[in-house]
Amino acid sequence: SQKIEQNSEALNIQEGKTATLTCNYTNYSPAYLQWYRQDPGRGPVFLLLIRENEKEKRKERLKVTFDTTLKQSLFHITASQPADSATYLCALGRDSSYKLIFGSGTRLLVRP
Amino acid sequence: EAGVAQSPRYKIIEKRQSVAFWCNPISGHATLYWYQQILGQGPKLLIQFQNNGVVDDSQLPKDRFSAERLKGVDSTLKIQPAKLEDSAVYLCASSLGAGVSYNEQFFGPGTRLTVL
Repeated sequence: SQKIEQNSEALNIQEGKTATLTCNYTNYSPAYLQWYRQDPGRGPVFLLLIRENEKEKRKERLKVTFDTTLKQSLFHITASQPADSATYLCALGRDSSYKLIFGSGTRLLVRP
Repeated sequence: EAGVAQSPRYKIIEKRQSVAFWCNPISGHATLYWYQQILGQGPKLLIQFQNNGVVDDSQLPKDRFSAERLKGVDSTLKIQPAKLEDSAVYLCASSLGAGVSYNEQFFGPGTRLTVL
């Protein structure tokens, strides 16, 4: 069955540094991959979408890469701020349905 | 634009009792999802509706969980009877659905269920 792996340990970084989160998957061929942010007590919020034929996507301080050969996506936050502290979820989808499969998320802590 | 509304926000029940959750999606969104999120895990899809029809309910424990989406708008999710392992946050999400090649989902705040 399909499996999505995100770092279960929290990522703890200093303000101003670049945070890099990893999403690996197996037994799945996604047409696209999405990243969501989730704050405690709230539902996830969509951040970025990247399709299988795209290598990289950027939005302000966020950058996502997608390597279908390695079956991996990297999510970068440059010039990180304490307000970026949250759990970040990756989710995989196919065009044939609207179903998303979510990873378990990685908690990011940005120290001031 | 109003977001996805859910109620109640919190619910505490005893095992074997029944509980129902309500969701009102964003106006015009054809697709509605119910997810279960256990602490420390990602959301797990329970059921997906396209308008008022079920698209995927493969992970819905049908012996105790049921859901409906009358008139293709708001939806209810019911658990009867509840078990201890049902303690989780139940998230509702919606998306535009048909005609969109990808699928940004908009989530509600969730209902935190505690089964004692």
